[in-house]
Amino acid sequence: QSALTQPASVSGSPGQSITISCTGTSSDVGNYNLVSWYQQHPGKTPKLMIYEGTKRPSGVSNRFSGAKSGNTASLTISGLQAEDEADYYCCSFATSRTFVFGTGTKVTVL
Amino acid sequence: EVQLVESGGASVQPGGSLRLSCAASGFTFRSYWMHWVRQAPGKGLVWVSRINYEGTNTGYADSVKGRFTISRDNAKNTMSLQMNSLRAEDTAVYYCARADNLDYWGQGTLVTVSS
Repeated sequence: QSALTQPASVSGSPGQSITISCTGTSSDVGNYNLVSWYQQHPGKTPKLMIYEGTKRPSGVSNRFSGAKSGNTASLTISGLQAEDEADYYCCSFATSRTFVFGTGTKVTVL
Repeated sequence: EVQLVESGGASVQPGGSLRLSCAASGFTFRSYWMHWVRQAPGKGLVWVSRINYEGTNTGYADSVKGRFTISRDNAKNTMSLQMNSLRAEDTAVYYCARADNLDYWGQGTLVTVSS
Protein backbone atom coordinates (compact mmCIF):
# COMPACT_ATOMS: atom_id res chain seq x y z
CA GLN A 1 0.00 0.00 0.00
CA SER A 2 2.51 2.59 -1.13
CA ALA A 3 1.20 6.11 -1.57
CA LEU A 4 0.49 7.26 -5.10
CA THR A 5 3.14 9.65 -6.39
CA GLN A 6 2.27 13.30 -6.92
CA PRO A 7 4.57 16.28 -7.51
CA ALA A 8 5.18 18.16 -4.28
CA SER A 9 4.26 21.47 -5.83
CA VAL A 10 2.83 22.98 -8.98
CA SER A 11 2.43 26.67 -9.69
CA GLY A 12 0.88 28.87 -12.33
CA SER A 13 -0.25 32.39 -13.02
CA PRO A 14 -3.89 33.44 -12.93
CA GLY A 15 -5.69 32.33 -16.05
CA GLN A 16 -3.19 29.63 -16.91
CA SER A 17 -3.80 25.89 -16.87
CA ILE A 18 -1.91 23.46 -14.68
CA THR A 19 -1.92 19.69 -14.48
CA ILE A 20 -1.21 17.55 -11.45
CA SER A 21 -0.14 13.96 -12.05
CA CYS A 22 -0.86 10.97 -9.82
CA THR A 23 1.17 7.88 -10.58
CA GLY A 24 0.30 4.49 -9.20
CA THR A 25 0.60 0.91 -10.36
CA SER A 26 -1.41 -1.78 -12.09
CA SER A 27 -2.73 -2.68 -8.63
CA ASP A 28 -4.52 0.62 -8.19
CA VAL A 29 -4.75 3.48 -10.69
CA GLY A 30 -4.05 1.30 -13.70
CA ASN A 31 -6.62 -1.34 -12.90
CA TYR A 32 -9.64 0.64 -11.70
CA ASN A 33 -11.64 3.63 -12.88
CA LEU A 34 -11.99 4.75 -9.29
CA VAL A 35 -9.63 7.69 -8.97
CA SER A 36 -10.87 10.73 -7.09
CA TRP A 37 -9.33 14.11 -6.38
CA TYR A 38 -9.66 16.31 -3.29
CA GLN A 39 -8.91 19.95 -2.63
CA GLN A 40 -7.89 20.98 0.87
CA HIS A 41 -7.40 24.56 1.97
CA PRO A 42 -5.29 25.13 5.11
CA GLY A 43 -7.19 24.16 8.23
CA LYS A 44 -10.17 22.95 6.22
CA THR A 45 -11.79 19.63 5.44
CA PRO A 46 -10.99 17.98 2.10
CA LYS A 47 -13.47 18.63 -0.71
CA LEU A 48 -14.26 16.17 -3.49
CA MET A 49 -13.42 17.69 -6.89
CA ILE A 50 -13.37 14.71 -9.26
CA TYR A 51 -14.60 11.14 -8.86
CA GLU A 52 -14.43 7.98 -10.97
CA GLY A 53 -11.56 9.54 -12.85
CA THR A 54 -13.43 12.16 -14.83
CA LYS A 55 -16.74 13.03 -13.17
CA ARG A 56 -17.39 16.34 -11.43
CA PRO A 57 -19.74 16.56 -8.45
CA SER A 58 -22.52 19.08 -8.60
CA GLY A 59 -21.24 22.52 -7.67
CA VAL A 60 -17.63 21.95 -8.68
CA SER A 61 -16.40 24.34 -11.35
CA ASN A 62 -15.95 22.95 -14.86
CA ARG A 63 -12.45 24.42 -14.74
CA PHE A 64 -11.51 21.18 -12.98
CA SER A 65 -11.15 18.06 -15.12
CA GLY A 66 -9.72 14.59 -14.65
CA ALA A 67 -8.12 12.05 -16.94
CA LYS A 68 -6.23 8.78 -16.81
CA SER A 69 -3.67 7.04 -18.97
CA GLY A 70 -2.25 3.73 -17.88
CA ASN A 71 -1.06 3.91 -14.30
CA THR A 72 -1.22 7.71 -14.16
CA ALA A 73 -4.21 9.89 -13.42
CA SER A 74 -4.20 13.64 -13.75
CA LEU A 75 -6.13 16.69 -12.60
CA THR A 76 -6.17 19.78 -14.77
CA ILE A 77 -7.20 23.18 -13.48
CA SER A 78 -7.98 25.61 -16.29
CA GLY A 79 -8.24 29.36 -15.90
CA LEU A 80 -6.33 29.26 -12.63
CA GLN A 81 -7.76 31.51 -9.92
CA ALA A 82 -6.43 32.69 -6.58
CA GLU A 83 -9.01 30.56 -4.76
CA ASP A 84 -7.54 27.43 -6.34
CA GLU A 85 -4.43 27.77 -4.20
CA ALA A 86 -4.62 24.72 -1.93
CA ASP A 87 -3.34 21.19 -1.45
CA TYR A 88 -4.65 18.54 -3.83
CA TYR A 89 -4.75 14.79 -3.24
CA CYS A 90 -5.60 11.93 -5.53
CA CYS A 91 -7.04 8.67 -4.20
CA SER A 92 -7.55 5.30 -5.85
CA PHE A 93 -9.26 2.04 -5.08
CA ALA A 94 -6.68 -0.72 -4.87
CA THR A 95 -6.52 -4.48 -4.69
CA SER A 96 -7.54 -6.20 -1.46
CA ARG A 97 -10.46 -3.77 -1.28
CA THR A 98 -8.31 -0.97 0.10
CA PHE A 99 -7.79 2.62 -0.93
CA VAL A 100 -4.62 4.64 -1.28
CA PHE A 101 -4.05 8.39 -1.34
CA GLY A 102 -1.44 10.32 -3.22
CA THR A 103 1.40 12.18 -1.55
CA GLY A 104 -0.31 15.51 -2.12
CA THR A 105 0.47 18.55 -4.28
CA LYS A 106 0.61 22.15 -3.15
CA VAL A 107 -0.77 24.43 -5.84
CA THR A 108 0.48 28.01 -5.78
CA VAL A 109 -1.08 30.79 -7.79
CA LEU A 110 1.69 33.24 -8.65
CA GLU B 1 -28.11 18.44 4.62
CA VAL B 2 -25.52 15.71 4.93
CA GLN B 3 -23.64 15.93 8.22
CA LEU B 4 -20.88 13.79 9.66
CA VAL B 5 -19.68 14.53 13.17
CA GLU B 6 -16.71 12.75 14.67
CA SER B 7 -16.06 12.46 18.39
CA GLY B 8 -13.88 10.57 20.81
CA GLY B 9 -10.51 12.04 20.02
CA ALA B 10 -8.20 12.49 23.00
CA SER B 11 -4.65 12.34 24.21
CA VAL B 12 -3.55 8.80 25.10
CA GLN B 13 -0.32 7.06 26.02
CA PRO B 14 1.42 4.61 23.68
CA GLY B 15 -0.15 1.18 23.97
CA GLY B 16 -3.48 2.65 24.97
CA SER B 17 -6.89 2.39 23.38
CA LEU B 18 -9.46 4.82 22.08
CA ARG B 19 -12.84 4.57 20.40
CA LEU B 20 -13.87 7.12 17.81
CA SER B 21 -17.44 7.67 16.69
CA CYS B 22 -18.99 9.24 13.62
CA ALA B 23 -22.60 10.39 13.81
CA ALA B 24 -24.34 10.69 10.46
CA SER B 25 -27.44 12.64 9.50
CA GLY B 26 -29.15 14.05 6.44
CA PHE B 27 -28.95 10.89 4.34
CA THR B 28 -29.87 7.20 4.42
CA PHE B 29 -26.88 5.98 6.37
CA ARG B 30 -27.46 2.27 5.78
CA SER B 31 -27.21 2.79 2.02
CA TYR B 32 -23.58 3.90 2.02
CA TRP B 33 -20.17 2.42 2.57
CA MET B 34 -18.28 4.51 5.08
CA HIS B 35 -14.59 5.29 5.56
CA TRP B 36 -12.05 6.58 8.06
CA VAL B 37 -9.19 8.73 6.80
CA ARG B 38 -6.48 10.32 8.92
CA GLN B 39 -4.06 13.20 8.58
CA ALA B 40 -1.03 13.62 10.80
CA PRO B 41 -0.15 17.23 11.69
CA GLY B 42 1.28 18.93 8.62
CA LYS B 43 1.13 15.73 6.58
CA GLY B 44 -1.01 14.24 3.85
CA LEU B 45 -4.22 12.24 3.86
CA VAL B 46 -3.99 8.53 4.61
CA TRP B 47 -6.80 6.04 4.13
CA VAL B 48 -7.45 3.96 7.25
CA SER B 49 -10.50 1.75 6.93
CA ARG B 50 -13.79 1.07 5.15
CA ILE B 51 -17.03 -0.72 6.00
CA ASN B 52 -19.91 -1.86 3.82
CA TYR B 53 -23.62 -1.21 4.24
CA GLU B 54 -24.36 -3.95 6.76
CA GLY B 55 -21.02 -3.96 8.48
CA THR B 56 -20.15 -7.41 7.15
CA ASN B 57 -17.31 -6.39 4.85
CA THR B 58 -14.38 -4.34 6.10
CA GLY B 59 -10.95 -3.28 4.91
CA TYR B 60 -7.92 -1.79 6.60
CA ALA B 61 -4.65 -0.14 5.75
CA ASP B 62 -1.68 -2.37 6.54
CA SER B 63 -0.49 0.14 9.12
CA VAL B 64 -3.56 -0.40 11.32
CA LYS B 65 -4.58 -3.98 10.48
CA GLY B 66 -4.92 -6.07 13.60
CA ARG B 67 -5.02 -3.01 15.86
CA PHE B 68 -8.05 -1.06 14.61
CA THR B 69 -11.60 -2.33 14.18
CA ILE B 70 -14.29 -0.53 12.23
CA SER B 71 -17.97 -1.08 12.95
CA ARG B 72 -21.34 0.55 12.42
CA ASP B 73 -24.82 0.69 13.95
CA ASN B 74 -27.35 1.48 11.26
CA ALA B 75 -30.13 1.81 13.84
CA LYS B 76 -28.22 4.69 15.44
CA ASN B 77 -26.68 6.07 12.23
CA THR B 78 -23.22 5.80 13.70
CA MET B 79 -19.87 4.34 12.73
CA SER B 80 -17.03 3.60 15.11
CA LEU B 81 -13.32 2.96 15.03
CA GLN B 82 -11.87 1.01 17.93
CA MET B 83 -8.17 1.74 18.12
CA ASN B 84 -5.95 -0.50 20.25
CA SER B 85 -2.19 -0.69 20.81
CA LEU B 86 -1.86 2.92 19.80
CA ARG B 87 1.49 4.21 18.62
CA ALA B 88 2.99 7.68 18.31
CA GLU B 89 2.59 7.43 14.54
CA ASP B 90 -1.17 7.10 14.96
CA THR B 91 -1.28 10.75 16.04
CA ALA B 92 -3.56 12.49 13.56
CA VAL B 93 -6.88 14.10 12.87
CA TYR B 94 -9.30 11.31 12.05
CA TYR B 95 -12.04 12.02 9.54
CA CYS B 96 -15.07 9.93 8.69
CA ALA B 97 -16.22 10.15 5.09
CA ARG B 98 -19.16 8.88 3.09
CA ALA B 99 -19.09 6.47 0.17
CA ASP B 100 -16.21 5.23 -1.95
CA ASN B 101 -16.07 8.68 -3.53
CA LEU B 102 -15.53 10.21 -0.08
CA ASP B 103 -18.04 12.83 -1.14
CA TYR B 104 -18.76 14.19 2.33
CA TRP B 105 -16.35 14.54 5.24
CA GLY B 106 -16.71 15.36 8.88
CA GLN B 107 -14.65 18.04 10.58
CA GLY B 108 -12.37 15.47 12.17
CA THR B 109 -11.32 14.55 15.69
CA LEU B 110 -7.75 14.79 16.97
CA VAL B 111 -5.99 11.76 18.41
CA THR B 112 -2.67 12.37 20.12
CA VAL B 113 -0.52 9.43 21.19
CA SER B 114 2.27 10.55 23.46
CA SER B 115 3.88 9.68 26.74
